[in-house]
Amino acid sequence: GAVVSQHPSWVICKSGTSVKIECRSLDFQATTMFWYRQFPKQSLMLMATSNEGSKATYEQGVEKDKFLINHASLTLSTLTVTSAHPEDSSFYICSARDETSEDYNEQFFGPGTRLTVL
Amino acid sequence: GQNIDQPTEMTATEGAIVQINCTYQTSGFNGLFWYQQHAGEAPTFLSYNVLDGLEEKGRFSSFLSRSKGYSYLLLKELQMKDSASYLCAAPMIYNQGGKLIFGQGTELSVKP
Repeated sequence: GAVVSQHPSWVICKSGTSVKIECRSLDFQATTMFWYRQFPKQSLMLMATSNEGSKATYEQGVEKDKFLINHASLTLSTLTVTSAHPEDSSFYICSARDETSEDYNEQFFGPGTRLTVL
Repeated sequence: GQNIDQPTEMTATEGAIVQINCTYQTSGFNGLFWYQQHAGEAPTFLSYNVLDGLEEKGRFSSFLSRSKGYSYLLLKELQMKDSASYLCAAPMIYNQGGKLIFGQGTELSVKP
């Protein structure tokens, strides 16, 4: 199946700093990628849809100026958490669809990035 | 609106069979996914049902009834490594660009 990678796998930062997380589709092209956040013991919550070559679409309640998304190529989307605070500590997961696949709706998930803000 | 419900947690014994239920309410229907997620890891794909009925894949089977808005995941011959969270998810449709909406996940504990 298709492979999605994320980098870094974990990061610890100080409050007020910015953190960039990369999501790459390794063996397929993805015009659309998705960013999720997951708090402990909770399910995945969709934050935004990353669209190659255009602006991301954010879910209700997600601050677009705080969570900057850039999808500059067909294999790379980045999420930047700006001015991070302890409440932003979470598990961030990206996913992508292989739009050439027969299972058009299947999403392939990256391994996740554990962010801890001190 | 869209809503997906699953039990929060279940416990079962090694070697047994367990059924995890999922009910959904969606403004349309474009299939139903089941994912497995171990703690601290990303979800991994288990099954995708579009048509009514049971689909079997080894020890795991998934069932769908579109008329009832109901699905279940059946795990047979449980192993300790099956202890994980099981997520039911449905694609949003009507130009939602392939977004998935997830249930809250069912935490399965397999005991010896």
